[in-house]
This record gives sequence, C-alpha cells and structure tokens, in this order.
Amino acid sequence: TQLLEQSPQFLSIQEGENLTVYCNSSSVFSSLQWYRQEPGEGPVLLVTVVTGGEVKKLKRLTFQFGDARKDSSLHITAAQTGDTGLYLCAGARLNTGGFKTIFGAGTRLFVKA
Amino acid sequence: ETGVTQSPTHLIKTRGQQVTLRCSSQSGHNTVSWYQQALGQGPQFIFQYYREEENGRGNFPPRFSGLQFPNYSSELNVNALELDDSALYLCASSQIGTGNEQFFGPGTRLTVL
Repeated sequence: TQLLEQSPQFLSIQEGENLTVYCNSSSVFSSLQWYRQEPGEGPVLLVTVVTGGEVKKLKRLTFQFGDARKDSSLHITAAQTGDTGLYLCAGARLNTGGFKTIFGAGTRLFVKA
Repeated sequence: ETGVTQSPTHLIKTRGQQVTLRCSSQSGHNTVSWYQQALGQGPQFIFQYYREEENGRGNFPPRFSGLQFPNYSSELNVNALELDDSALYLCASSQIGTGNEQFFGPGTRLTVL
C-alpha cells in the first residue's frame, strides 16, 4: 500500500511564528502538489513540484521536493491568521492499471492572533 | 473561464439506494478525477477518466462507477449504498501533461442513513 504521511497532524501557533509541514513516502512520485482546504470547500492548489530537489516560493510559503522525489516540505514564514486551514500534500504516480493520486491525511493549522 | 462545479451540494440517501453525482470540468481540461473524503481525512482517490475511459482506479469496489462525456463533464455512480459511504465527494479536473495539477469543485456532501 502506497502511503503519504504528513506531520504534524495538527499545529497551533501564534501569529508571526514560523512552521514546517512534512510529507513523506517510501514511493517515488512523478509530481507532488500541495493544497489548502477550507471547511466545506474543495482543496485549492498551492503549488506543483516535479523535479527532485526543486524549491518553489509563493510569498511567505516555501515548498521543497526531496532529491529522490519521495518527500516534500512546506515552510511558512511569519504565519498569519489567514493561513489557518487544512494543508494537504498529494503525490501522482503512473503505474500498471493507470494513473493514481495519493493524498496525505493533512495537517490542520490554526494560527492564533 | 469557469471553474469546476458539482451537483447536488448535499444529498441524503438510505442504505441500499443508488446515487449519481455530477461534475462539470473547468474549461480546457480533458481529465476528471473523483475522490471520497471522510471527515477528518485526506481525499481518497476513486478513479480518473480521460477521453471518456477510466485511466486509473483506487481501492474502491465495483459498485463505484463513473462516466465521462464528450464535453468532459462526468458522473459518479454508487450502487447499494452503505453507511460508510457517507462522505464529501470531490471532483477535480486537470489537463493531461500539466504535472497532475488538479482543480477541485466544492464537493457533494452525501449522507447515508
């Protein structure tokens, strides 16, 4: 069974603090996405990483794809209350039988004012 | 450019019944994927359709089936509903070759009594 493990599962921090969320697997992925989901809504795409070792920055968010394309991290600098939400990583693999996307269970972030 | 839409938004069924959920893809996208998201969990991949054919499937029984139409809209059908089928069902559209960047609809909340 292919698993994508996210840690931590829950994070509660003060506004202005930094944080890192991790996404780990024993499988290699052709690409990996990070999404953010609000209650009652579908996930919203934040970034896609494709190349091993790739680093992408989106304002205060920094995303990194592991050299072996098995893991990824999301770092948020100076968190704001608006960053509160569920952060999901998703890995894509093409194998026999077709295409498959695996999501992690998510990291629920709560940023306190 | 219109986003991904899903209908209905909420649905209540009883055990043993059948249900059909609908999804309209984002314009320009030729691939649609369906996910089941239980409360507090990450989305679980059900299947993906490309060019009206199933292009990959997760660990879901055959009573979960789908269709993709020439205009790239899609349906998810679930037969013989079980209590555990209660979940948020998400549809996501994408364009083959874009690194699996998926754009999600708001979901359909299915409750099975």
